[in-house]
Amino acid sequence: DAGVIQSPRHEVTEMGQEVTLRCKPISGHNSLFWYRQTMMRGLELLIYFNNNVPIDDSGMPEDRFSAKMPNASFSTLKIQPSEPRDSAVYFCASSLSGYEQYFGPGTRLTVT
Amino acid sequence: AQSVTQLDSHVSVSEGTPVLLRCNYSSSYSPSLFWYVQHPNKGLQLLLKYTSAATLVKGINGFEAEFKKSETSFHLTKPSAHMSDAAEYFCVALDKIIFGKGTRLHILP
Repeated sequence: DAGVIQSPRHEVTEMGQEVTLRCKPISGHNSLFWYRQTMMRGLELLIYFNNNVPIDDSGMPEDRFSAKMPNASFSTLKIQPSEPRDSAVYFCASSLSGYEQYFGPGTRLTVT
Repeated sequence: AQSVTQLDSHVSVSEGTPVLLRCNYSSSYSPSLFWYVQHPNKGLQLLLKYTSAATLVKGINGFEAEFKKSETSFHLTKPSAHMSDAAEYFCVALDKIIFGKGTRLHILP
């Protein structure tokens, strides 16, 4: 299995631009999680889906952030408009029925 | 409310000596507990998991952890540290998706 796939691996953008992060979970997994990791705040759960349905989005910082999961094999996390304080590493993870999670390599986002 | 506390933000040990990374949890029931490792610029990798079967759990790379309900602890240990163990380690309760703050392990030559 290829594991969880995230793209891009690195993204540099200017403040105000739209950013879209992509995730392909492990085939057969039915739960998908988006995390953000920074030095200041550590690892934060942003949102998670079960069977493509958002279950808990209480970690989403504000309306500038949105996540979708149109099918079982693809999810996006969008930031519009982006701000410098959004700079972080964003991880996607997937699991079977919310059990042990398998993490992707992350997307390092830099907003200038 | 459920919580996970990693007692040390940094731990330094010499190569070849034992490793102890501490984790305490608070929960009204026995949670499912995990340890993950994150090497620099990498994603998180599962080390081991406790799911109410055996209280002593063996993981990858020689690590193990013991679930002690009386102490509400799930400390991670390894008998002999290797340079490649230098990384950040996270204790996690996945029932409520609660991550500890992480412990950065430094290995001294």
